[in-house]
Amino acid sequence: QKEVEQNSGPLSVPEGAIASLNCTYSDRGSQSFFWYRQYSGKSPELIMSIYSNGDKEDGRFTAQLNKASQYVSLLIRDSQPSDSATYLCPRDDYKLSFGAGTTVTVRA
Amino acid sequence: NAGVTQTPKFRILKIGQSMTLQCAQDMNHNYMYWYRQDPGMGLKLIYYSVGAGITDKGEVPNGYNVSRSTTEDFPLRLELAAPSQTSVYFCASSPRLGAGANVLTFGAGSRLTVL
Repeated sequence: QKEVEQNSGPLSVPEGAIASLNCTYSDRGSQSFFWYRQYSGKSPELIMSIYSNGDKEDGRFTAQLNKASQYVSLLIRDSQPSDSATYLCPRDDYKLSFGAGTTVTVRA
Repeated sequence: NAGVTQTPKFRILKIGQSMTLQCAQDMNHNYMYWYRQDPGMGLKLIYYSVGAGITDKGEVPNGYNVSRSTTEDFPLRLELAAPSQTSVYFCASSPRLGAGANVLTFGAGSRLTVL
């Protein structure tokens, strides 16, 4: 069974700092990787997708993928209080299951 | 664009009652899902559908039923509600299944309390 382990958090960072989140996958067959953000009381929303090794940047967010090591990370630069949320990395399988995620709190 | 619409947003049920949570999407997605999320926990898949007339169980299907008569609609029925079904329910859809399928669009959620 494909498993995902979110191996960081809960995370508390000061405003302006870098928040770093990681996910490790047990299945070497995963081809695509995603990060979702869920604000308290809201539904999850897709914020990043990455399919190739290396970095993908979108504004203050950078996803880093290393397929050989089976991990994907998410860096949030210049963290803002509005980044306070739970970040989820779902399994890449047809049942699309999510773990509990990593809760990030940005302190003003 | 409406995306994924869920109704009702809130509902209180008594133990033993039944109800249907409605989910509709207007993106012509073939794949639809129902999740539940308990406080402080992750999303657990209840049922999913790969197209009209085709549904399958997820991780926690007991106590629920689904149907998919059209591409747009994917209602979730709770029979004989129990306190353990108190949760927030999310419906989602995606344009494809399998690798690369994790581009889900979620509805706003339905908060259900069973007393």
